[in-house]
Amino acid sequence: DTEVTQTPKHLVMGMTNKKSLKCEQHMGHRAMYWYKQKAKKPPELMFVYSYEKLSINESVPSRFSPECPNSSLLNLHLHALQPEDSALYLCASSQKGTTRAANEKLFFGSGTQLSVL
Amino acid sequence: AQRVTQPEKLLSVFKGAPVELKCNYSYSGSPELFWYVQYSRQRLQLLLRHISRESIKGFTADLNKGETSFHLKKPFAQEEDSAMYYCALNPWRRGSTLGRLYFGRGTQLTVWP
Repeated sequence: DTEVTQTPKHLVMGMTNKKSLKCEQHMGHRAMYWYKQKAKKPPELMFVYSYEKLSINESVPSRFSPECPNSSLLNLHLHALQPEDSALYLCASSQKGTTRAANEKLFFGSGTQLSVL
Repeated sequence: AQRVTQPEKLLSVFKGAPVELKCNYSYSGSPELFWYVQYSRQRLQLLLRHISRESIKGFTADLNKGETSFHLKKPFAQEEDSAMYYCALNPWRRGSTLGRLYFGRGTQLTVWP
C-alpha cells in the first residue's frame, strides 16, 4: 500500500459540532503532517508529527486538535470551528521522522473538503 | 523569513512548445527546493527536488543561488502536462527541518493541442 488515505472525503459541520478527520498510511513512514488549503491558495502547514510526537505546531488555533495514536494513524479533531475554517485539509507523510531528514518526499492524501456552516 | 514567489498564476502554451514555470525564493540559509504537481482530480505529488538533479517526465529544474531561482523547464510540452504546479521550499536549519514546506501560490499550466 503506497497511499495516504483520508476519510471522510467531504464533511459538513455546524459551528457547535465536534468532528474528526482521519488519515492513514501503511508505508512505514515516521513523519505525518496536516496541511490546510483554502480555495485557489497553496497548502499551508498546520502540524507535524515525528515518531508519533508533535514536532511542529504552526500557531494553529486550539479548536484544531491533532492526535497521532500510532505510527500509521493521524487524526485531526475539530471543535467549535468557524466558517472561515472551511477548506481542504490535506494529510501527508514522509519516510524519515528525524530532524536530520533532508529533501524528504512528501506523500499527500487526496484531502477532506470541510464546510463549516 | 522565507518566501516563494511564482509570478504566473496562469500559463498557456501549445503542444510541442517549450515551457518554463518561474519560481523565485527568498531565504537566508540553505533551502531545499521542490516542484509539486497536481493533475486534475489527482492528489498533490512530488515532481522534482533540486538535490536530485534529475529529469522527470521531461521536466528539469536548476537551482540558481545567485538569482535565487528554481525555474521548471520542459523543451516540448505535452497535453498531459496540463496541471497545477507548485514550487515549494523547505528552510533547512540544523536540527529543525522535516517536511516544513512553504508553497508558492501555484501556476496553472494549460497545454493546447
